[in-house]
Parts: sequence; C-alpha cells; structure tokens
Amino acid sequence: DIVMTQSPDSLAVSLGERATINCKSSQSVLYSSNNKNYLAWYQQKPGQPPKLLIYWASTRESGVPDRFSGSGSGTDFTLTISSLQAEDVAVYYCQQYYSTHSFGGGTKVEIK
Amino acid sequence: QVQLVQSGAEVKKPGASVKVSCKASRYTFTSYAIHWVRQAPGQRLEWMGWINAGNGNTKYSQKFQGRVTITRDTSASTAYMELSSLRSEDTAVYYCARVREWELTSGAFDIWGQGTMVTVSS
Repeated sequence: DIVMTQSPDSLAVSLGERATINCKSSQSVLYSSNNKNYLAWYQQKPGQPPKLLIYWASTRESGVPDRFSGSGSGTDFTLTISSLQAEDVAVYYCQQYYSTHSFGGGTKVEIK
Repeated sequence: QVQLVQSGAEVKKPGASVKVSCKASRYTFTSYAIHWVRQAPGQRLEWMGWINAGNGNTKYSQKFQGRVTITRDTSASTAYMELSSLRSEDTAVYYCARVREWELTSGAFDIWGQGTMVTVSS
C-alpha cells in the first residue's frame, strides 16, 4: 500500500500570507503511460465532508479560487495557498489514487 | 445540483452490522464509480472500497475485506455499504463519494455525501 505523509501537521499563517503544505508518497504516483500524477488535494472544514481542490496534482477543480495551486511530481507534492483568507481555515488532505486510494494525515491551517 | 444524500446516523452494538445508503441525484448514476471512505474521530480519512455503478464490480481495501460489502440499486440510483462484525473502533463518520471522471473506477472524488455517523457501543 502507498503511504502518504504530510507536513507539517499544523501551521499558522497571517492573513494575506502564503501557506505551503507538503505531501510525500512512499512510492511514485506518476503513471508513465500518460505522464499524470495520481494525486489530489482536499479541504475539510469542521462538520463537513472534504471538498476537492486539486486533481492530477496541479489541475484546479472548477470554482476553486486561483490562490490555491498544486505542484510536484513522482513522490513529492505541494499545495500552496498564495494569500491566506479567513475562510481557508481548515484541514487539508492529500490523496493518491495510483494504487487503490490512500490519504495523508492532514494539515491544519490556522490564522496567526 | 449533483448530489449524494446519505442515510441517517446509526447506533449499533458490537458484533452487529450496519448498512448505509447513498442516493445520487441529477447525474447518470451508472456512469460513475462510487467509493466509501470513513473518518474516525480526530483521524485521517480511510478508504474502504468502490463499486462500479454500471456493472456492479467492486474492490475493497484489504483492511476491510470479508467485513464490508458494497452494492447498488440502479433503479433507485443508490449505493450501499454494509459493514459487519462491528467493534468500537468502527465508530466513525462514513462518506460516499463519486469519482470525478466518467466511467473510471479510480480518481479524485468531486462529489461527497454529507456523511453518516455510525456509533458502536454496548
């Protein structure tokens, strides 16, 4: 099974500042035949289901603000919130769907 | 809008079974796979398995193999997840979710149900 490891566990960022979340997979999630990384990012607020932000590692889901971006390839990935807003306070999860499915442990983002 | 609506909260005794439903609306149910994911209190999301809503094929996480059964009723546009031999560690919110890509069984999940709390307690 592919193990997903996120860092940090939590971070506090000032409003308008950049937030960076890292995700590492125990093996590559890059499928060579189509050159796609089978990696997604989700945002989860208390009492709500996760919301899809990014898929194929860097494609933003429709309706997601462009301050959210995803990058990386192979085993190392990053979710960046370019200018943190109050409504971005949440837990963020990465997910691989290369081999069955598995999620990272989550990163809690708070306002400093 | 496209949505998945799940059944209500359940309280079960250890050793019992629970069956959670997930009703789809405003899209072609048989064209998208449905996955089940659970989240124990304060824990990470945990994938349980999927069903191809078109042909009924399933795949389960090894962790739940033998205890979980995922089915669907195409006439009702509803998927079901049944978990047996419940223990206290199965206390969690259970979610159904739709794969974003048409006719793929694996992928990112673009639509999620609201979640069903299952409590296992004697």
